[in-house]
Amino acid sequence: QKEVEQDPGPLSVPEGAIVSLNCTYSNSAFQYFMWYRQYSRKGPELLMYTYSSGNKEDGRFTAQVDKSSKYISLFIRDSQPSDSATYLCAMILNNAGNMLTFGGGTRLMVKP
Amino acid sequence: DSGVTQTPKHLITATGQRVTLRCSPRSGDLSVYWYQQSLDQGLQFLIQYYNGEERAKGNILERFSAQQFPDLHSELNLSSLELGDSALYFCASSGRQSWYGYTFGSGTRLTVV
Repeated sequence: QKEVEQDPGPLSVPEGAIVSLNCTYSNSAFQYFMWYRQYSRKGPELLMYTYSSGNKEDGRFTAQVDKSSKYISLFIRDSQPSDSATYLCAMILNNAGNMLTFGGGTRLMVKP
Repeated sequence: DSGVTQTPKHLITATGQRVTLRCSPRSGDLSVYWYQQSLDQGLQFLIQYYNGEERAKGNILERFSAQQFPDLHSELNLSSLELGDSALYFCASSGRQSWYGYTFGSGTRLTVV
């Protein structure tokens, strides 16, 4: 079993929909959580990072962390075709030399 | 442009050969990370350097090695290449507070034929 699980999709939604992307993890020592967006053949781009349980909002994006359930989510409101990409969750242990552990990524397609 | 520069962008080479991938981190970042991304394995951590010293090692094969130079650029050396080494190789850099996330380069696509 992988440390970080993420549904690979693809997830296809119409433009304007609310998108929910999720990851579960097994190691409760993970302390910091991030979401990256990766367009085809490009490097991952950091979207959001968070530390504590709860919600963090940035424009159309909301990151949610539930450490008790070992579950993190990314919500995208008013999704746009330009949001079509692979979304990767990532997390860091408190004392692991800053190594990021990634989920496998969810491919999102937003159709006009 | 993320500020992390990787060269070359594409590399095609034969099995058994050796290649060197180069990374220049974002200005001011002391940490450099190397990741391998393949279709079946996703993004896998290979190795981290901090200010010239190896800081952490992941599932890096013995055929692979890396170093970080005094000017902070890093090189990943892949030798005795096999077909299965074909992948995207990403370099990322971060400052001291890397739990804010890394900045990735655009990657080197390695094809071993």
